[in-house]
Amino acid sequence: DVKVTQSSRYLVKRTGEKVFLECVQDMDHENMFWYRQDPGLGLRLIYFSYDVKMKEKGDIPEGYSVSREKKERFSLILESASTNQTSMYLCASSQPGQESEQYFGPGTRLTVT
Amino acid sequence: DQQVKQNSPSLSVQEGRISILNCDYTNSMFDYFLWYKKYPAEGPTFLISISSIKDKNEDGRFTVFLNKSAKHLSLHIVPSQPGDSAVYFCAARIWRNAGNMLTFGGGTRLMVKP
Repeated sequence: DVKVTQSSRYLVKRTGEKVFLECVQDMDHENMFWYRQDPGLGLRLIYFSYDVKMKEKGDIPEGYSVSREKKERFSLILESASTNQTSMYLCASSQPGQESEQYFGPGTRLTVT
Repeated sequence: DQQVKQNSPSLSVQEGRISILNCDYTNSMFDYFLWYKKYPAEGPTFLISISSIKDKNEDGRFTVFLNKSAKHLSLHIVPSQPGDSAVYFCAARIWRNAGNMLTFGGGTRLMVKP
């Protein structure tokens, strides 16, 4: 059974803190993605990666960075958390040529106070 | 500006009836469309898709229709079941930078009443 896991289901951080969200997939997928989900806005792509040490900006990369040192792991970093980054964060992975069918993790609900 | 829109944030349907979820898009470069389903506390799961060269794709109780001239797609669920109650996201694929990316709509919450 394919699996994408995220390090935390719920996270509360203070404004200005550095935040790390971790995602691991066990399907040997090349592609990995980070989205945030907000009411009425759906899922918006923050960053994606098509290979180890490779990253591309999505639609809303401002305030975020990513790291992909190993194929199975893709980390999202909030350098200095702000209240407008309070959201549900979803990680996904897919195979090359099958980017359309992405497998999602359960999400991390991040609250920045 | 959102390129993929789901104008109905919620929909309530009686069990056994048809559910119709709608989605509109603006970018004619989208070449593939998908529907994802999301239950609370879970990530979205892929449901059904359609290529831009087709106008219909069917999988069991689920059918997706695409009207390219109107830039509109819809998901039909027949018959609707209580287990179908979830949030449904429409998504569209486009090639950007290093590969294909998905743009999602805002979602429609479907409630199927027993």
